[in-house]
Amino acid sequence: AQSVTQLGSHVSVSEGALVLLRCNYSSSVPPYLFWYVQYPNQGLQLLLKYTSAATLVKGINGFEAEFKKSETSFHLTKPSAHMSDAAEYFCAVSDRNFGNEKLTFGTGTRLTIIP
Amino acid sequence: NAGVTQTPKFQVLKTGQSMTLQCAQDMNHEYMSWYRQDPGMGLRLIHYSVGAGITDQGEVPNGYNVSRSTTEDFPLRLLSAAPSQTSVYFCASRGVSGDEQYFGPGTRLTVT
Repeated sequence: AQSVTQLGSHVSVSEGALVLLRCNYSSSVPPYLFWYVQYPNQGLQLLLKYTSAATLVKGINGFEAEFKKSETSFHLTKPSAHMSDAAEYFCAVSDRNFGNEKLTFGTGTRLTIIP
Repeated sequence: NAGVTQTPKFQVLKTGQSMTLQCAQDMNHEYMSWYRQDPGMGLRLIHYSVGAGITDQGEVPNGYNVSRSTTEDFPLRLLSAAPSQTSVYFCASRGVSGDEQYFGPGTRLTVT
């Protein structure tokens, strides 16, 4: 069974500071990994994805994440936080076996940006 | 393309009432899914479909029914609403050759 753990349900950073949101996964097969962002009262938007190509993945809005198999991690980073980054972020994993469409989400991290 | 659309945006039901949440996509995606989002629990998969006529259960299927008669539509039926079904419901779709799921804007359901 696959699972995702997001450390820290709330993270606050100052504007201009480094953003680091943590995600650890568990999967019995090589996983596909995703980060989604949800702005208030909106649906989920894909930030970036790892699908077994390059381990350092760049996404939209200046975010990137690195797949580390030895640490079973897929942490999300952004060098300099902007006020518009305030949102909730979800890490998700899929083992993508044939016919398996199950995407398992973490419990989310709410990011607050301090002016 | 409108992408994934959901109706209604908001709904209030009384315990025991039934209703259908509508989901449609215009991207000719084979895969469609329903999730519910609850505070502190992330999104949990209710039911999913890998094509017209094929559906399967997700993590929390009890109290919900689905059917997939066309590629475009994937309605979610609440048979007898309960307060525990108060949640925000998201529909998502993915093409067979794609990696990511596209999400609709959600339906906020309150059961009193």
